[in-house]
Amino acid sequence: NAGVTQTPKFQVLKTGQSMTLQCAQDMNHNSMYWYRQDPGMGLRLIYYSASEGTTDKGEVPNGYNVSRLNKREFSLRLESAAPSQTSVYFCASRTSGAKNIQYFGAGTRLSVL
Amino acid sequence: TQLLEQSPQFLSIQEGENLTVYCNSSSVFSSLQWYRQEPGEGPVLLVTVVTGGEVKKLKRLTFQFGDARKDSSLHITAAQPGDTGLYLCAGTSNTGNQFYFGTGTSLTVIP
Repeated sequence: NAGVTQTPKFQVLKTGQSMTLQCAQDMNHNSMYWYRQDPGMGLRLIYYSASEGTTDKGEVPNGYNVSRLNKREFSLRLESAAPSQTSVYFCASRTSGAKNIQYFGAGTRLSVL
Repeated sequence: TQLLEQSPQFLSIQEGENLTVYCNSSSVFSSLQWYRQEPGEGPVLLVTVVTGGEVKKLKRLTFQFGDARKDSSLHITAAQPGDTGLYLCAGTSNTGNQFYFGTGTSLTVIP
């Protein structure tokens, strides 16, 4: 059981370049999330998708777009990367109901020069 | 705006010592979760507390949710090197759809 898979694991971009971070889960979860993690700031929510076909902004959505391609896949796109977007990006999916457990991927480490 | 503040930010202790990590907010949450994260990996859920005043124990870890559901604490008894990691608290929105993470506490347990 793979859980939540993120690709790529590492990426270096130049300012202004674009890229898409991929995320897939095999647990049949409805809800999926994208976070960024910066030193001393914990995780901050960028976008989330409560179900297939819906997306909503989180705390820090500026400079990002998302696509919930199907129930399994939720991608994050940087259209014009900026140095301030240097971070570690985590994707998560969440169980429904009372347990409310988020499962995280291993992260994508992105540097924007 | 960081809704959840954790203290201390860094903690380095000797094996066998006890420690407490705090997670404080001015906001009320429907539930609060604690995660542990190891280098190069994503966070892993340790526990969820839902009721004000609730106490949960997980082996040597004791979690408490404040009566007003605004704060929480994590107490580790007789810390071991395997407890080393980044501990994160996260509050859940009323809808259950959003999670607000704390600033994190980096714990190092020295053998």
